Amino acid sequence: QVQLVESGGGVVQPGGSLRLSCAASGFTFSSYGMEWVRQAPGKGLEWVTFIRYDGSKKYYADSVKGRFTISRDNSKNTLYLQMNSLRVEDTAVYYCAKGRDSNGHYGMDVWGQGTSVTVSS
Amino acid sequence: DIQMTQSPSSLSASVGDRVTITCRASQSINSYLNWYQQKPGKAPNLLIYTASSLQSGVPSRFSGSGSGTDFTLTISSLQPEDFATYYCQQSYSTPQSFGQGTRLEIK
Repeated sequence: QVQLVESGGGVVQPGGSLRLSCAASGFTFSSYGMEWVRQAPGKGLEWVTFIRYDGSKKYYADSVKGRFTISRDNSKNTLYLQMNSLRVEDTAVYYCAKGRDSNGHYGMDVWGQGTSVTVSS
Repeated sequence: DIQMTQSPSSLSASVGDRVTITCRASQSINSYLNWYQQKPGKAPNLLIYTASSLQSGVPSRFSGSGSGTDFTLTISSLQPEDFATYYCQQSYSTPQSFGQGTRLEIK
C-alpha cells in the first residue's frame, strides 16, 4: 500500500543538527513532488519545504531558509530534510507528505506518521 | 507571502448538523485551495483539493467551494467521526501556507 515512513527525529541542543528521512513505498516516488510540514506542540500546521519530482526546484518557508535543506534520492525512494542551526522554535512533529502532482499545486494526499524533533538544552 | 484566515476558530455542533467553515486568502489564489482534517495524534488527511474536488475515499457529505480569495468547506450532515480540526491550505504560490485551523467539537 501507499506509505511514507519518517525517521531520524530526536532531542538535540540548540545550534545542533538532525537529518530526517522519509521512506516511500507503494507509488512511483520519482513522479511526485514531496513536502515537509511541521506542527509545534499544541499548534497548527506549518508548511516547511517542497521539492519537485526531479529535485530541480526547492522552496522553503522563511523560518527555515538557509538552515534546512530538502533533498531526495529517487533511486532509493527516500526524501530527506537536513536541519542545521536548530532553534528551540523548531521543536515540532515533522511530517513528510506526497503531493498529488509533480509541482505541488494540488494538495498533499499521503502523509507519514510524523517524527518528533525536540530542540532543548 | 499569502496569509490564510479561517473562521470560526472553534465550533460546537451536533450530529446531523450542517456545518460551514470559511477560509480567506490575503490575495487571490485562483482555486489552489485545499482542505485537511486532523484528529488528535494523527497526521492530516486531505479532504478537498483545488477548492471543490473531493479526494478519493472521502465521504460525499464533505464539499468545498469558492475561488479567488473566499472559500468554504461544508459538511452536510455531521457524523461522530467528523469531530476534528480542519485546516485550509493554499498551494498557489510558495511559501505555501495553512490557515490557523478550526476545531469542530461536539455540542
